[in-house]
Amino acid sequence: DAGVIQSPRHEVTEMGQEVTLRCKPISGHDYLFWYRQTMMRGLELLIYFNNNVPIDDSGMPEDRFSAKMPNASFSTLKIQPSEPRDSAVYFCASSLGWSNQPQHFGDGTRLSIL
Amino acid sequence: QKEVEQNSGPLSVPEGAIASLNCTYSDRGSQSFFWYRQYSGKSPELIMSIYSNGDKEDGRFTAQLNKASQYVSLLIRDSQPSDSATYLCAVNGQDYKLSFGAGTTVTVRA
Repeated sequence: DAGVIQSPRHEVTEMGQEVTLRCKPISGHDYLFWYRQTMMRGLELLIYFNNNVPIDDSGMPEDRFSAKMPNASFSTLKIQPSEPRDSAVYFCASSLGWSNQPQHFGDGTRLSIL
Repeated sequence: QKEVEQNSGPLSVPEGAIASLNCTYSDRGSQSFFWYRQYSGKSPELIMSIYSNGDKEDGRFTAQLNKASQYVSLLIRDSQPSDSATYLCAVNGQDYKLSFGAGTTVTVRA
């Protein structure tokens, strides 16, 4: 079975540019999560969706960050404009159900903002 | 106070020994507990989940949960070089968000 698929795997861009990260969750999973991982702050939850609806975006650092889930098989995380401090690894994860179900992670997108 | 605390490590153990990883959490209402393994440059991979007090064994891995003490641990028996990774403790709080510890890096010496 296919796992969570993220693209691109690596992204290098200049400060001020728009960045779009993409995620395809595991088929049938109804929860989708976006995380950011840095050495300083570890793994942080940015936003999560249930049945394509954003439930909690309190972890989104600034208005420069936005996320959408237009259908059950696709989500995007957008940063506009990007800044060097946004450099991190961004993970998408999905789960079937909520509290008792483990989350399965994609391979991540390593983002570098110059 | 951090929600999920792990022993900071790094933890170095000889091949064949037992590696013991500890995790404490602050939300007394937490019900679900997970251990993830993360190799350098890779994504977190679920290795154990535990929901009830006591021990749960899966191969060389044993998870232990004590809700009264708000403590969860992971034992890796017969440690192998392939076990060298960072282990993340994750806890679902009453707000249903999964909180991760900072991770413990384990190195198994051949």
